[in-house]
Amino acid sequence: ETGVTQSPTHLIKTRGQQVTLRCSSQSGHNTVSWYQQALGQGPQFIFQYYREEENGRGNFPPRFSGLQFPNYSSELNVNALELDDSALYLCASIPPEGMDGYTFGSGTRLTVV
Amino acid sequence: AQSVTQLDSHVSVSEGTPVLLRCNYSSSYSPSLFWYVQHPNKGLQLLLKYTSAATLVKGINGFEAEFKKSETSFHLTKPSAHMSDAAEYFCVLNTGGFKTIFGAGTRLFVKA
Repeated sequence: ETGVTQSPTHLIKTRGQQVTLRCSSQSGHNTVSWYQQALGQGPQFIFQYYREEENGRGNFPPRFSGLQFPNYSSELNVNALELDDSALYLCASIPPEGMDGYTFGSGTRLTVV
Repeated sequence: AQSVTQLDSHVSVSEGTPVLLRCNYSSSYSPSLFWYVQHPNKGLQLLLKYTSAATLVKGINGFEAEFKKSETSFHLTKPSAHMSDAAEYFCVLNTGGFKTIFGAGTRLFVKA
């Protein structure tokens, strides 16, 4: 166990629907980042939250949004799902000392049909 | 532009033989480089990191990597492969803040 929990582990949605993925970070880790890993590819950075504010974003459209809560949990929301959104979504819990200590969850496998 | 290229999508070795996973990078800034491993249905686990200290970096499970600025490389090696090493390996570049770039990954197969 890494101490970072993601839910659900698997999810099937229909094109056009909306989805919320959840991540519970390690206590004291006030930064969380989310990644999309398509099949056969490396993870792609979606965005990062620090103390409940987005402070960095990758090349993803606005229909990808997030929230971070004071209890070290966070959400990734995706609206108007497209078939290409099918992927493994990973969250990384980041301690104050930064990249050295990224801890990844096991991910949520999203399938859009 | 910042980029990471893992030169092999698949590597197959026999148990007990050396492992070499190749990674080249491009960065306009002093890079921090990492290797992560991903076992099936698991999250990413940090193997080792280079952050401008010693160029030969030792990690967990007997892995090590050497940062070569002249060759813009950060290859991952292990003297003797074990069956449990079979997994996907990612070379990762960080150029400050949240700018983290993953390579496409190398799948390591270990034959008995």
